[in-house]
Amino acid sequence: QQQVKQSPQSLIVQKGGIPIINCAYENTAFDYFPWYQQFPGKGPALLIAIRPDVSEKKEGRFTISFNKSAKQFSLHIMDSQPGDSATYFCAASGGETSGSRLTFGEGTQLTVNP
Amino acid sequence: NAGVTQTPKFRVLKTGQSMTLLCAQDMNHEYMYWYRQDPGMGLRLIHYSVGEGTTAKGEVPDGYNVSRLKKQNFLLGLESAAPSQTSVYFCASSIWTGAYEQYFGPGTRLTVT
Repeated sequence: QQQVKQSPQSLIVQKGGIPIINCAYENTAFDYFPWYQQFPGKGPALLIAIRPDVSEKKEGRFTISFNKSAKQFSLHIMDSQPGDSATYFCAASGGETSGSRLTFGEGTQLTVNP
Repeated sequence: NAGVTQTPKFRVLKTGQSMTLLCAQDMNHEYMYWYRQDPGMGLRLIHYSVGEGTTAKGEVPDGYNVSRLKKQNFLLGLESAAPSQTSVYFCASSIWTGAYEQYFGPGTRLTVT
């Protein structure tokens, strides 16, 4: 049972564009929502994370928007660069019995063309 | 500080063979995890450990066993490999920083023929 659904599966933008990746979750016990960035041949690396008590978090060119009532969150990459080309995963965790476990979305392969 | 390391990086097995993947972390993290990554399916949790001597099942535990005899090491075993276990395996460790931020290793690419 996939508890975190991610879209789109792939995304191609031009340099300077603003790619947006969306995730939706089902479990209302989730209280931590990280995004991971993965380059080919490497392990995922934490990019940015948000808790549901705020609606937006920004770190550099990366912004998470969070809509608790809709159970959705999204990643925006401002002024995207070719070096941002990677696979992005959203994830969620929380709840008394699974606080340390992450449930991942399916991943989005982002390509930023020069 | 090497972070999370995994051994080996690549491996090819024949159906029915066994092998052990080793994960080591030097960050003194309590929690460790094993995931498998398959195209279009994200990362799925196989087994995890909340401390030395403890293990628990994740989302897809069948066909795998784990052990955490030392805090810094987490071993993943395949007793009788099957082609369905062809995947990229990632180990991760975490510590509480207001949330359980997970740090991943570089992965092991396993092919079962």
